Amino acid sequence: DAGVIQSPRHEVTEMGQEVTLRCKPISGHNSLFWYRQTMMRGLELLIYFNNNVPIDDSGMPEDRFSAKMPNASFSTLKIQPSEPRDSAVYFCASSPRRGWMAQYFGPGTRLLVL
Amino acid sequence: GQQVMQIPQYQHVQEGEDFTTYCNSSTTLSNIQWYKQRPGGHPVFLIQLVKSGEVKKQKRLTFQFGEAKKNSSLHITATQTTDVGTYFCAGPGSGSGNTGKLIFGQGTTLQVKP
Repeated sequence: DAGVIQSPRHEVTEMGQEVTLRCKPISGHNSLFWYRQTMMRGLELLIYFNNNVPIDDSGMPEDRFSAKMPNASFSTLKIQPSEPRDSAVYFCASSPRRGWMAQYFGPGTRLLVL
Repeated sequence: GQQVMQIPQYQHVQEGEDFTTYCNSSTTLSNIQWYKQRPGGHPVFLIQLVKSGEVKKQKRLTFQFGEAKKNSSLHITATQTTDVGTYFCAGPGSGSGNTGKLIFGQGTTLQVKP
């Protein structure tokens, strides 16, 4: 089985540009999570979905960040406009169902905003 | 707010030495999970502990959940260079109900000198 798929794997952009990160969770998983990882702040949960519905977006830094999950097999995280402080590794993870099950992480997108 | 803290932040050991990382939560946890992230990689689920005082082993790794369900530890016997990476503990976010939201500790980064 394929694991969680993320694209792009690397993104370099200039300040002010729109950035869209994509995630395909493991088939059959009902929960999807977006994380951001930096040296300073560690692994932070940005938003998560259950059955395609956003449950908690309290970790989203500000209005420049938005996330969607139009169907069970696809999610996007968008940053508009991007800023240098958004540079980080963004992980998507999925989990089989609601409840405290293991989370399976994708390889991450390494974002650099110049 | 709820916090999950890990110590030490970094640990350098000689190959063959033992290693232990400790995880402490500000609140009682229903369960705790452990993840490993290799350098440049993504977090990978290792194990979940649920019962008070539970001890689980995976080869050279021993995981323990405290009696009060507020702390946990991971002990590696006779470290190898393949053990290099960052070890995270994670517990359910308070007030998250049964949604699967996790709060991650800051991680302990293990370096092993051959």
